[in-house]
Amino acid sequence: LAKTTQPISMDSYEGQEVNITCSHNNIATNDYITWYQQFPSQGPRFIIQGYKTKVTNEVASLFIPADRKSSTLSLPRVSLSDTAVYYCLVVKTGANNLFFGTGTRLTVIP
Amino acid sequence: DTEVTQTPKHLVMGMTNKKSLKCEQHMGHRAMYWYKQKAKKPPELMFVYSYEKLSINESVPSRFSPECPNSSLLNLHLHALQPEDSALYLCASSQERSGTAINYGYTFGSGTRLTVV
Repeated sequence: LAKTTQPISMDSYEGQEVNITCSHNNIATNDYITWYQQFPSQGPRFIIQGYKTKVTNEVASLFIPADRKSSTLSLPRVSLSDTAVYYCLVVKTGANNLFFGTGTRLTVIP
Repeated sequence: DTEVTQTPKHLVMGMTNKKSLKCEQHMGHRAMYWYKQKAKKPPELMFVYSYEKLSINESVPSRFSPECPNSSLLNLHLHALQPEDSALYLCASSQERSGTAINYGYTFGSGTRLTVV
């Protein structure tokens, strides 16, 4: 299973765009990238997933370069309510397990 | 219904007690999971059920005993726990994936906060 590395913490002011980069050098051909958000005392919530290039939904964008050894989660115009831990995961197609890395604790400052 | 419901939300138990955590979903998901999360740590996978059968046990001590009575319910039976087992226990469900099926995301419950005294 590909190991992921992401910054332990980040701070951002309200209204700014936040980019969280995750490194996954050992990603395999049949792996894809998924991101989850977790608030204190709640379960993680699925944000976005992708295999290559760019994926966008109503919450975030996910950028994956051609070599797929990293990915960047982009949160546009963050608000205080975006303060949470963000987890990057590499998941094998067809696998029934999610293994969480350390995550990035994002703090949005007024 | 797009939720995973866990009960109870909080539980305090002694080391000699027997208790159970309950998880329920009505999304038709055929894979269900138990995770354990200590404070300021990521969730750790404990068990995976696929079509009501235990498919993954991540070397969890036998004082934790999972059960999947039907496709909507998942239980975690607790017996003779230790104080270090105090944690947030999370249940999740997903579409069952095999072959080239892609994960469309897990749905997690809000967890049961367990304190062992």
